[in-house]
Amino acid sequence: AQKVTQAQTEISVVEKEDVTLDCVYETRDTTYYLFWYKQPPSGELVFLIRRNSFDEQNEISGRYSWNFQKSTSSFNFTITASQVVDSAVYFCALSGPGGGSNYKLTFGKGTLLTVNP
Amino acid sequence: KAGVTQTPRYLIKTRGQQVTLSCSPISGHRSVSWYQQTPGQGLQFLFEYFSETQRNKGNFPGRFSGRQFSNSRSEMNVSTLELGDSALYLCASSSGGGAGELFFGEGSRLTVL
Repeated sequence: AQKVTQAQTEISVVEKEDVTLDCVYETRDTTYYLFWYKQPPSGELVFLIRRNSFDEQNEISGRYSWNFQKSTSSFNFTITASQVVDSAVYFCALSGPGGGSNYKLTFGKGTLLTVNP
Repeated sequence: KAGVTQTPRYLIKTRGQQVTLSCSPISGHRSVSWYQQTPGQGLQFLFEYFSETQRNKGNFPGRFSGRQFSNSRSEMNVSTLELGDSALYLCASSSGGGAGELFFGEGSRLTVL
């Protein structure tokens, strides 16, 4: 069975601080996909990134960066120079190898990030 | 292009009633997935439809059902509502090919009294 653990339930930072959200996953599949989603108060889940299990390159997109380490089954997300608009719940998710299983995401419990001015 | 549209956004039902929620995917998307979000259980996968066929199902009782129409619009139904069915129900659409980037709607918030 697949499992995603986000150990940090809530994080509070002051604007311009860097913050890292942790994600640890478990799966028996050799091919799988990892995701990060952001959920603002409106409720809609906003896609941030998708990574497949064969691509361990770190990725940077503006102030966001992701560190995928297969050896430790972790897929951590860092926000550099945080802003108030980054305040949201962030979810890490895992899906299976292919076909319909791609769309069956297993989500972590989420981390509530509050960025204070 | 228009995003995923879910209706109704909010609804209140009483125990024993049934409810139908609707989801219109992004134009051209053929896959629709449904998720339940509660404070206790978090986000849980309900089912996924592609071209009117259910491809995957989560661990929910038979009271939860869904369908997809030829225009890719989807509905989910919950019969004999229980208090524990109170949740935010999220629909997501995807093109259906390859690793899914899911685009979510804003959800339907169901309260069961």
